[in-house]
Amino acid sequence: KNQVEQSPQSLIILEGKNCTLQCNYTVSPFSNLRWYKQDTGRGPVSLTIMTFSENTKSNGRYTATLDADTKQSSLHITASQLSDSASYICVVSASNYQLIWGAGTKLIIKP
Amino acid sequence: DGGITQSPKYLFRKEGQNVTLSCEQNLNHDAMYWYRQDPGQGLRLIYYSQIVNDFQKGDIAEGYSVSREKKESFPLTVTSAQKNPTAFYLCASSIPGSDFHSGANVLTFGAGSRLTVL
Repeated sequence: KNQVEQSPQSLIILEGKNCTLQCNYTVSPFSNLRWYKQDTGRGPVSLTIMTFSENTKSNGRYTATLDADTKQSSLHITASQLSDSASYICVVSASNYQLIWGAGTKLIIKP
Repeated sequence: DGGITQSPKYLFRKEGQNVTLSCEQNLNHDAMYWYRQDPGQGLRLIYYSQIVNDFQKGDIAEGYSVSREKKESFPLTVTSAQKNPTAFYLCASSIPGSDFHSGANVLTFGAGSRLTVL
């Protein structure tokens, strides 16, 4: 069964600190992996998309990594800001055009 | 500014009533989607449409209906047959029609509509 699991479920860190969110997937065949940011009560916004051949991709203070062999991805946030408080969702696209969504990690940045 | 507009933001429904959620986009995107989001779960696809006058069922279409009479509009009706309709509903759109889940295709989401059954 195609699945995307994210950890931790929730995370609280102090402003200015770094953090790393994890995504493990069992999706086959694999097409690409995406990270979205979702503010409370809003729709998700795309952060990165990575295909099979890409190991890392950055978007400002966000850096996503992909290990296709172990089927793991991580999203690293550098020098966190209060505006980073949101849910971060990992989404894996199967080659048959199916999107498998993770449940997300809720990140809270405290001043 | 281009984007997706969902309305209403909040909606309350009595049991046995049908309600319609509006989704309008001015991005000139071919494909449009409806997702349902419940606490602690990933988004689930209800319906999608790759082109005007055509749409397909997603993973949880039972109790829902859609229409795609115009490229810009993709309304979702939650019928009385949907037994657990309380959820956050998200509309999205993307550029390609036939290759709507490809690596180059990013979904743009609306702000969502929260439906509560009284």
